[in-house]
Formats: sequence, structure tokens, C-alpha cells
Amino acid sequence: RKEVEQDPGPFNVPEGATVAFNCTYSNSASQSFFWYRQDCRKEPKLLMSVYSSGNEDGRFTAQLNRASQYISLLIRDSKLSDSATYLCAVNRVTGNQFYFGTGTSLTVIP
Amino acid sequence: ETGVTQSPTHLIKTRGQQVTLRCSSQSGHNTVSWYQQALGQGPQFIFQYYREEENGRGNFPPRFSGLQFPNYSSELNVNALELDDSALYLCASSLGVNTEAFFGQGTRLTVV
Repeated sequence: RKEVEQDPGPFNVPEGATVAFNCTYSNSASQSFFWYRQDCRKEPKLLMSVYSSGNEDGRFTAQLNRASQYISLLIRDSKLSDSATYLCAVNRVTGNQFYFGTGTSLTVIP
Repeated sequence: ETGVTQSPTHLIKTRGQQVTLRCSSQSGHNTVSWYQQALGQGPQFIFQYYREEENGRGNFPPRFSGLQFPNYSSELNVNALELDDSALYLCASSLGVNTEAFFGQGTRLTVV
């Protein structure tokens, strides 16, 4: 089983829509969780860290569910500029390994 | 910009050769991690260096090795290159081992 699994999509949504991505992780020893955004042929850019209490940054909301071992990202009022691949990342302190999902592709359509 | 720089940006090598990739971490960051990203995949963790010591390693063979210098910059060395080593190699720096990591623009390696 992969350490981190994401639905690869693609998600095609109209402008203004709300879209949610989930990411599951297999190891309960995982300690830190992040969402990154990656544009085509570019490096991943940190979107937000994910805290146990959940956190929000403008139109973006991240949640962590330790019991079910998943993290989520909600994007409200989608913009054309949100089109990208969204990667979740999980840091397992034991052995200090950092795992990324394969990414979820989002296209926002005018 | 993250302040993490990698060189070179592109590289073509022949199977069996050796390659060295370089990374300068963001000012103040003492931890550097290296990743391999194949097309259509997420980044795969190669290893991490914290204060010049290897501090975690992914599932990569020993021909992938690294180094971190006193100024926290880092190198990734790959020996005996194989065609499957063709990928985007990403370096990420962070302040500490369990915190947000910021990526450089990557080195695109093609092995022919």
C-alpha cells in the first residue's frame, strides 16, 4: 500500500465552484501534513500546512482527520488561476521520511 | 521566490555516467531534502541532510549519495546512471526536519 494516496482526477470545474480534494495516508506515525501546488513543469510551491484544528487561508481550507488518516483541501470560489496539480505531503518522523501523493489535477473552466 | 537555487537547470547524460547536482538552501535553513519526480508522479523522497548529516533516506539504491556543506548547501550525486534516472530532481530546504519545505526550481536530468 502506498504511504500517501490521492485521487489523480482530473477535476474540471467551472469558475466560482467549490472543489474538495482528499488525501489518505497509511502510517499513523505521520506527524506533519502539507498541501503544495505545482504548475506544469515547475517546482511544487507550499500552499499551506495542515493543523489538527484545521486552518483556513482565504478561499482555501485544510482539514486533518487523524482517526481516519486523511487530510483534505477545500477551494471555494474557484478562479482560473487555481488550475494546477495539488500535492499532499506527509512527514513521518520515524525514519524522518517525507511522502508526497501523486497529485490531483484541477482545471478551472471559464 | 523561495531563495532555494539549483544548478544546473537542465542536463543530458549518457547511461553509465555520473552526475552531480547542486542546491543552495534558503538563508537560515539548516535542512535540505532531495526528491526525484518522474513525469506524472509526485516527488519521491531520496534523502535528507540536517546539519551536514544524513537524516533520513527513501527507497533509493546506494548509487544515490549526497553531501551537505557547512553553509548548508548540498549536492546529490548519482553514479552509474540508468535510463530510468531521467526525471526532475528537486531540492527543498527547511528550518528543521519536520517543518515546511521550500523547493528550488529543479534540475531536469535526461539520461540517454
